[in-house]
Amino acid sequence: KNEVEQSPQNLTAQEGEFITINCSYSVGISALHWLQQHPGGGIVSLFMLSSGKKKHGRLIATINIQEKHSSLHITASHPRDSAVYICVSGNTPLVFGKGTRLSVIA
Amino acid sequence: NAGVTQTPKFQVLKTGQSMTLQCAQDMNHEYMSWYRQDPGMGLRLIHYSVGAGITDQGEVPNGYNVSRSTTEDFPLRLLSAAPSQTSVYFCASSYSGNTEAFFGQGTRLTVV
Repeated sequence: KNEVEQSPQNLTAQEGEFITINCSYSVGISALHWLQQHPGGGIVSLFMLSSGKKKHGRLIATINIQEKHSSLHITASHPRDSAVYICVSGNTPLVFGKGTRLSVIA
Repeated sequence: NAGVTQTPKFQVLKTGQSMTLQCAQDMNHEYMSWYRQDPGMGLRLIHYSVGAGITDQGEVPNGYNVSRSTTEDFPLRLLSAAPSQTSVYFCASSYSGNTEAFFGQGTRLTVV
């Protein structure tokens, strides 16, 4: 059974800080998703990656297939980045981490 | 292109009532799935489908039924609602498990 573990569970940062959220999974996968859930509840897909690194604006996602580990980085964090970030194993069916609740304080 | 449309957004049921949560996508995705989200638990898979006519159980299937008669639609049926089914429900679709997933806006269900 694939298990997806995220850390930390909760994170509070000052505006401008560099943020890292980690994700580890137990079964080899071919892809991994990072999702963002805002306080209103809607879920948005940020990245889907199978190797290396992807960048979108201030967000960077990396994955190391051999180590079964992925990280999501946010540079120059802003209060609007406050949300729950969820790591998801891309194997069918999807397996979700429990999420990291990020609060960025101005 | 509407993406994933999930209805209703809110629903209150009495214990024992039945209802259907609707999920439709217009992206010709083969893979569709239903999740429930409870505090401290993350999203848990209820049922999923890898194509029309094919469904399978997820982690928490009891009390729910699904069918996939078309590629576009994947309704979730609560047969006899129980307070333990109070949750936020999300539908998702993707071309496959290894491609970008798209989510509906969620249904907040309360069973009293």
